[in-house]
Amino acid sequence: DIQLTQSPSSLSASVGDRVTITCRVSQGISSYLNWYRQKPGTVPKLLIDSASNLQSEVPSRFSGGGSGTDFTLTISSLQPGDFATYYCQQYYTHPTFGQGTTVEI
Amino acid sequence: EVQLLESGGGLVQPGGSLRLSCAASGFSFSNYAMSWVRQAPGKGLEWVSKISDSGAITYYADSVTGRFTTSRDSSSSTLYLQMNSLGVEDTAVYYCAKHLKPGHGATSPSQFDYWGQGTLVTVSS
Repeated sequence: DIQLTQSPSSLSASVGDRVTITCRVSQGISSYLNWYRQKPGTVPKLLIDSASNLQSEVPSRFSGGGSGTDFTLTISSLQPGDFATYYCQQYYTHPTFGQGTTVEI
Repeated sequence: EVQLLESGGGLVQPGGSLRLSCAASGFSFSNYAMSWVRQAPGKGLEWVSKISDSGAITYYADSVTGRFTTSRDSSSSTLYLQMNSLGVEDTAVYYCAKHLKPGHGATSPSQFDYWGQGTLVTVSS
């Protein structure tokens, strides 16, 4: 299976901060990568597909980049609703998820 | 409005079986592949299974191959997950998830734009 390693596993930040989460993949997957946000007690929400394609109704403060084995999710200005756990997920082969990055106050 | 409503979870003894259902509405069910994803308590997400839009092709994670079976009924817009030989490691919230893009048959990209609220499966003696 393709392994995804997110870093950091958790981070503390404040409203207005710029935050970047990295997802490193064990083999090249082109741009077959998605990002999800999961707020506590809720279901995951697709933010970005195909590494950099922002879903409709997702605020433009979210952006994704990268290809091959290294990917990033950036939140340009953290908002209160962004304190959550973020997962990357590859779909180059049978899907696998990263272990998650928890963004805390 | 897309809605996915899972049911069928509960407490089951190790070695037992359970059948989950996911009732879909608000979209053309027969045009989209569907997947099951699970999340153990306090843990991350794990993809379990995928079924093509027609239902002809299914895929499974290694951890459930040979024990779980996914099927779908287009007449009732319902997705199913039959789980046999359950072990404590199968304890999780099980989500059904709609694939983002219609069609593509067996090669539908696994991008999940809608998720059900989840149903909890607890395997314990």
